[in-house]
Amino acid sequence: GESVGLHLPTLSVQEGDNSIINCAYSNSASDYFIWYKQESGKGPQFIIDIRSNMDKRQGQRVTVLLNKTVKHLSLQIAATQPGDSAVYFCAETPSYGKLTFGQGTILTVHP
Amino acid sequence: DTGVSQNPRHKITKRGQNVTFRCDPISEHNRLYWYRQTLGQGPEFLTYFQNEAQLEKSRLLSDRFSAERPKGSFSTLEIQRTEQGDSAMYLCASSLLDRDNYGYTFGSGTRLTVV
Repeated sequence: GESVGLHLPTLSVQEGDNSIINCAYSNSASDYFIWYKQESGKGPQFIIDIRSNMDKRQGQRVTVLLNKTVKHLSLQIAATQPGDSAVYFCAETPSYGKLTFGQGTILTVHP
Repeated sequence: DTGVSQNPRHKITKRGQNVTFRCDPISEHNRLYWYRQTLGQGPEFLTYFQNEAQLEKSRLLSDRFSAERPKGSFSTLEIQRTEQGDSAMYLCASSLLDRDNYGYTFGSGTRLTVV
């Protein structure tokens, strides 16, 4: 069936570096995408979203890029901090219904 | 409003017992979702409601699982005759079907351990 996947299961960076987390999706009907951060023992926390009529959206220290041609989504975190260490998931949905998640990328930020 | 609330946070039960979890969504959200998450995996969709109507159920949801949202507010997820394979984090999320804002806010989950 349709699925959302991540290229890199783990990412280690130094504090202050920029981080890029990638995601490939396969459902061409998806029109809304979300990045979530999940810390151990907690539920997913919304970071940023993007609709399919956009190719870039910026938040505070985070930017999401959407390339519909190659069905690719990325999350850029600027000036990564130790508090950014977590598992990051992308999720997608067609028609704003149920979300389909990828497996996640573990981000580790070293002081 | 304090977000999506789930109770209990943790549940340990013996195999074969029934368990019930509760989810209180964000009050103005009309959609409510249940997901299951095992270690190292992303959340897997189980079912969702729009108001009190159950709109979709995953094929993952066996007949031992039942969910209700009787008044379009809180929801319960019941698992009958629990099995060790049911051990997981059960997540609830809510969203608002609105042109400009969708939400998709998750609760902290209920961690189920079947022994």
